[in-house]
Amino acid sequence: DTAVSQTPKYLVTQMGNDKSIKCEQNLGHDTMYWYKQDSKKFLKIMFSYNNKELIINETVPNRFSPKSPDKAHLNLHINSLELGDSAVYFCASSQVRRRYTEAFFGQGTRLTVV
Amino acid sequence: DQQVKQNSPSLSVQEGRISILNCDYTNSMFDYFLWYKKYPAEGPTFLISISSIKDKNEDGRFTVFLNKSAKHLSLHIVPSQPGDSAVYFCAASYDSASKIIFGSGTRLSIRP
Repeated sequence: DTAVSQTPKYLVTQMGNDKSIKCEQNLGHDTMYWYKQDSKKFLKIMFSYNNKELIINETVPNRFSPKSPDKAHLNLHINSLELGDSAVYFCASSQVRRRYTEAFFGQGTRLTVV
Repeated sequence: DQQVKQNSPSLSVQEGRISILNCDYTNSMFDYFLWYKKYPAEGPTFLISISSIKDKNEDGRFTVFLNKSAKHLSLHIVPSQPGDSAVYFCAASYDSASKIIFGSGTRLSIRP
């Protein structure tokens, strides 16, 4: 029973296209995140949502728009895809109200823009 | 500006020996530190953590040490096993941050 699941696992698309990555968690957590792992393998936070409200936006281009329809879902929509958007995107969730808590990650979506 | 740094991109250790992975941080507000393990084509999985009120936390073969004055933490794995071969990420957070900040990872290889 997967705790944090994201789809698709692989996504190959052309420059200029618009694509979405979906994420769902069944842990009852109140906070969800999107992280990007670039070619240098750094894991950088992009967005954080707490109870469907955006609380962190780490200077990500506005071509990236997260959408949280409810606490269990945080989708990432990317407009006008560029070559530099190629990376692995990880969704994660945690229970922020409980201090000293870890985040649980999905398996990642490898996005390749050609 | 890297607030969490893992200066060794890779480490090779013989099976049965101790693996020591190091991590440094710059933000003195961090009060919770985590280690994650990541296999290829999978998401990071939580391994062990420590809060700033402690200097050591042990869980089976894994022990994390925290030196607040040096802003340094380390993960000890003993004895190292082949299944420990993975990328290990050090991470940190603080109460009001609502985010976990990761280091760049260290690739650990356990050789027979």
